[in-house]
Amino acid sequence: NAGVMQNPRHLVRRRGQEARLRCSPMKGHSHVYWYRQLPEEGLKFMVYLQKENIIDESGMPKERFSAEFPKEGPSILRIQQVVRGDSAAYFCASSPPGVSTQPQHFGDGTRLSIL
Amino acid sequence: DQQVKQNSPSLSVQEGRISILNCDYTNSMFDYFLWYKKYPAEGPTFLISISSIKDKNEDGRFTVFLNKSAKHLSLHIVPSQPGDSAVYFCAASSHSSNTGKLIFGQGTTLQVKP
Repeated sequence: NAGVMQNPRHLVRRRGQEARLRCSPMKGHSHVYWYRQLPEEGLKFMVYLQKENIIDESGMPKERFSAEFPKEGPSILRIQQVVRGDSAAYFCASSPPGVSTQPQHFGDGTRLSIL
Repeated sequence: DQQVKQNSPSLSVQEGRISILNCDYTNSMFDYFLWYKKYPAEGPTFLISISSIKDKNEDGRFTVFLNKSAKHLSLHIVPSQPGDSAVYFCAASSHSSNTGKLIFGQGTTLQVKP
């Protein structure tokens, strides 16, 4: 009965490197959301995916950021050529298919630090 | 453009008393509202939700009230316990957006003193 699993929990990268954040949704959940939380702020929506499809990426920066949720395996949030401003906590949430009034359940996040 | 606002960054109450956390929203298309609780270094944990067709939803010590005309919701915790000390986020979504994405407030830090 595992919840939403995110790894790594902490990730340190130097400016210009790539960061890959992984998220495995709860069993039976096919909807995945990524949110970013900057210090002292609330969570900001980034992207919503279903298996093999990006449904809404309206919150994702246009450059350097990409997300995928393949048929097999976890969802990946990828940040290329990281900059200091990418330092944040990145949370993944999942929800069951088809019912939009089901609450999203969150993982414990990946804390990304850029040196 | 902060569509969901929690204007009190912090709240301190005595154990056993009522905690009231407030949230205001601006987008009239929002029709589903949630409260999440967050401890440091953990993800948000779902507490309680309410659909816009209701004005109250209760679950144990937690009650959420929705005032659509004022675009305001509140979370009542009675009685408050020290373990309730955490950051509380309200969030809203719109079914018409067809994505279910949540718009979060900035959070209110609740401290319950023994």
